[in-house]
Amino acid sequence: EAQVTQNPRYLITVTGKKLTVTCSQNMNHEYMSWYRQDPGLGLRQIYYSMNVEVTDKGDVPEGYKVSRKEKRNFPLILESPSPNQTSLYFCASSLGLNQPQHFGDGTRLSIL
Amino acid sequence: DAKTTQPPSMDCAEGRAANLPCNHSTISGNEYVYWYRQIHSQGPQYIIHGLKNNETNEMASLIITEDRKSSTLILPHATLRDTAVYYCIVPDQTGANNLFFGTGTRLTVIP
Repeated sequence: EAQVTQNPRYLITVTGKKLTVTCSQNMNHEYMSWYRQDPGLGLRQIYYSMNVEVTDKGDVPEGYKVSRKEKRNFPLILESPSPNQTSLYFCASSLGLNQPQHFGDGTRLSIL
Repeated sequence: DAKTTQPPSMDCAEGRAANLPCNHSTISGNEYVYWYRQIHSQGPQYIIHGLKNNETNEMASLIITEDRKSSTLILPHATLRDTAVYYCIVPDQTGANNLFFGTGTRLTVIP
């Protein structure tokens, strides 16, 4: 089944403790991205990647890192999480520009 | 990227067609119109997209006006499971392929 898989689905952690949210897709998509969703603000793009080893900042990249060492994986790294990064995170992938994006089920992060 | 305007909410009786409008008056000639929906806090789900011509797939139909300044998403026989927030989006044409999800239309299908 074609899908985008995120892990973990839920995480409660403390300020400053590094964490990684994994994202994997099995559709051989070149394009992947991360969004965060906050009440009243819609989805905002954090980082995106057009292919392996090619990543770029979205609208709200501060406090986040990503890597794209393989086509299927696009982890989101929070080196030193802070409470303002408490949010619902979505990973998405697509064949490329102007192609439908497929979203994961989301990861709800709570930073205390 | 073109801005879209949608009504904040709509109701539809179960089994009836749901017609969701969207205005995108600043859309440019090569920009597509996409529709996604989000059920509660699940991941957004792609529904359909189009450029100029009307489109239909197993989920919905998309009617785009000739001047491309507005479109309508049609769910032909709404079910309770179609209750969701529907987003009309014109993605940016940069490499970011950024989807700006605004507030969308909250569709409630009523039994």
